[in-house]
Amino acid sequence: NAGVTQTPKFRVLKTGQSMTLLCAQDMNHEYMYWYRQDPGMGLRLIHYSVGEGTTAKGEVPDGYNVSRLKKQNFLLGLESAAPSQTSVYFCASSFGLEAFFGQGTRLTVV
Amino acid sequence: TQLLEQSPQFLSIQEGENLTVYCNSSSVFSSLQWYRQEPGEGPVLLVTVVTGGEVKKLKRLTFQFGDARKDSSLHITAAQPGDTGLYLCAGALVGGATNKLIFGTGTLLAVQP
Repeated sequence: NAGVTQTPKFRVLKTGQSMTLLCAQDMNHEYMYWYRQDPGMGLRLIHYSVGEGTTAKGEVPDGYNVSRLKKQNFLLGLESAAPSQTSVYFCASSFGLEAFFGQGTRLTVV
Repeated sequence: TQLLEQSPQFLSIQEGENLTVYCNSSSVFSSLQWYRQEPGEGPVLLVTVVTGGEVKKLKRLTFQFGDARKDSSLHITAAQPGDTGLYLCAGALVGGATNKLIFGTGTLLAVQP
């Protein structure tokens, strides 16, 4: 069972470059989330979606954009990467209260 | 400033010891969850508590939701090396989107054999 799949798993970007992180879930969940995880900070919510075609800002949305064109996919974009965006990014989906997470994307911006 | 603060941030104990991890906020949550995360993996749900004062037990783990629904604790009895990991609390704010989960700062637990 795939669950939540994130691609890529690792990426190194130069400052100013752009990229898109892809999250796909096969559980037919309505809700999807993007978090970033930094040491000592736990998980911080970047953006989330309550259904296909909808998105909303989380705690730390600046510098990121998202799209939910299909129910099963949630894309996170960085238009102009900055070193402060070096982090591990996690995607999650949920139907009820339980969130299911992908394995994360480790992004380094140099 | 994060809405959910966990303490301690790090904990290293010997096998067989007991420990308690705290999750505190000044905000009220409609529900609160505890997750455990292992290296290279995403967090996995351990428990959800929804009623103020609620206590749930999962084998050697005891979870409590504060009466005012602003805080929670996780107590582990007779810790084992397999309990090693990052423990995260997460809450859904009262009045917020039900499924908008805010995570705590995390507690990194190491249980030495």
